[in-house]
Amino acid sequence: DIQMTQSPSTLSASVGDRVTITCRASQSISHWLAWYQQTPGKAPKLLIYKASTLESGVPSRFSGSGSGTEFTLTISSLQPDDFATYYCQKYNNYSSLIFGGGTKVEIK
Amino acid sequence: EVQLVESGGGLVQPGGSLRLSCATSGVTFSVYAMSWVRQAPGQGLEWVSTISGSGGFTYYADSVKGRFTISRDNSKNTLYLQMNSLRAEDTALYYCAKDGRAVAGFEHWGQGTLVTVSS
Repeated sequence: DIQMTQSPSTLSASVGDRVTITCRASQSISHWLAWYQQTPGKAPKLLIYKASTLESGVPSRFSGSGSGTEFTLTISSLQPDDFATYYCQKYNNYSSLIFGGGTKVEIK
Repeated sequence: EVQLVESGGGLVQPGGSLRLSCATSGVTFSVYAMSWVRQAPGQGLEWVSTISGSGGFTYYADSVKGRFTISRDNSKNTLYLQMNSLRAEDTALYYCAKDGRAVAGFEHWGQGTLVTVSS
């Protein structure tokens, strides 16, 4: 089974910082990767799909890149609403839509 | 507006059963695959199960295979999860989630229903 590994697990940053989160797949998943944001007490929110396509309504400071086994989520200028936990998810096969372990973005 | 509303969670003893429901509105339900995702307290997201739009194909995480059954009633726009032989490690907030138009991520989520397995 393909495993998804996110790094770092926790990230401390300040408003205005550029933030990058990495997600690695143990085997190639082409571009079939989604990114979600979850704030405490809320359901996850889809940010990016197909590795780099921004979901409608998501601010342009969020971007995704990568293919194959290595992917990144970048927030170009961190805003107060962005302090949250971020998850990647492989979406290449309904038989295993597993998530990465998550990256918590905290206030420095 | 798309809405997904889960129900059916609660406290159940180990070995017991529970049936979760997810009522949807604002969407052509039968077109989209639907899934269940759970989140144990303080933990990350865990994909549980997915069912195709027609209901003809179902998929399960190894952790629930043989114990959980996903189903849907397209005439009622409702998704279900029958959970049997429940264990303490099944304790979690269970979300239903709807496939996106691009079939590349969960575009819509419910608010979750809490399942607690404890004696």
